[in-house]
Amino acid sequence: EIVLTQSPATLSLSPGERATLSCRASQSVSSYLAWYQQKPGQAPRLLIYDASNRATGIPARFSGSGSGTDFTLTISSLEPEDFAVYYCQQRSNWPPEFTFGPGTKVDIK
Amino acid sequence: QVQLQESGPGLVKPSQTLSLTCTVSGGSISSGSYYWSWIRQPAGKGLEWIGRIYTSGSTNYNPSLKSRVTISVDTSKNQFSLKLSSVTAADTAVYYCARYAYYYDSSGYLKDYFDYWGQGTLVTVSS
Repeated sequence: EIVLTQSPATLSLSPGERATLSCRASQSVSSYLAWYQQKPGQAPRLLIYDASNRATGIPARFSGSGSGTDFTLTISSLEPEDFAVYYCQQRSNWPPEFTFGPGTKVDIK
Repeated sequence: QVQLQESGPGLVKPSQTLSLTCTVSGGSISSGSYYWSWIRQPAGKGLEWIGRIYTSGSTNYNPSLKSRVTISVDTSKNQFSLKLSSVTAADTAVYYCARYAYYYDSSGYLKDYFDYWGQGTLVTVSS
C-alpha cells in the first residue's frame, strides 16, 4: 500500500501570502496525484489532477508540481476563501486503489 | 451539471449492515468514462476510499474493507449503492459518493480524478 504524507500539518498564513504544501509518497506514483480542497461541512473539491493540471474553474493562483514521490501544491497569493484543508490523493495502478494524505490545514495567521 | 445525492439511515446498530444509495442527476450514470465511488471521512479525520463500480458491474474495493463491502449499480434508476456489513463504532463517518472520471491523453497516458461529489451523509453506528 502506498502511503501519502503531507507537510506541514498546519500552515498559518495571512491573506496575500504564498502557501506551499507538500505531499510525499512512500513509493513512486508517477504523476498520478491529485489535490483537493475541503472547507468545513463541505465535500472535497478537485483542484489539481495528474500532479499539475488545474481542474475546470480552478483559479490560476493554484498550481501543482512534482512527480515520482514528491509533490507540491502552491497557492500564489492566498484569498480569504482559500483557508481550508487540502488533501493529496494517489491511485495505484493494479489493483486499482486510491489513498489520501492526512491533509494540511491552511488557517489564518 | 452533474449532481450526486446520498441517502440512507443516519443511525445503524453495531453488527448490522450499513446501506446507502447515491442518486445521480444531470446526466446518465451509464454514459462516459466514469466509475462511481464511495469515500468516507470520520469526524475530524482524513478521507478513506471504500470502493468503486463501473456500470457494467465491475467493482474494486479497498483491501482493508473488502470482506465487508458490496457496491452495486441500478442504471434504470441512475443510482449506485453501498452495503457495509458487521459495522462497529469505527465505521461512524460522513459517507460521500463521488464520480471518478478518466481519459487517455494523446500520448496514451491515463488521466483521472474524483470530479463530482455528493454533499455527504453522516452515519453513526451506535446501539
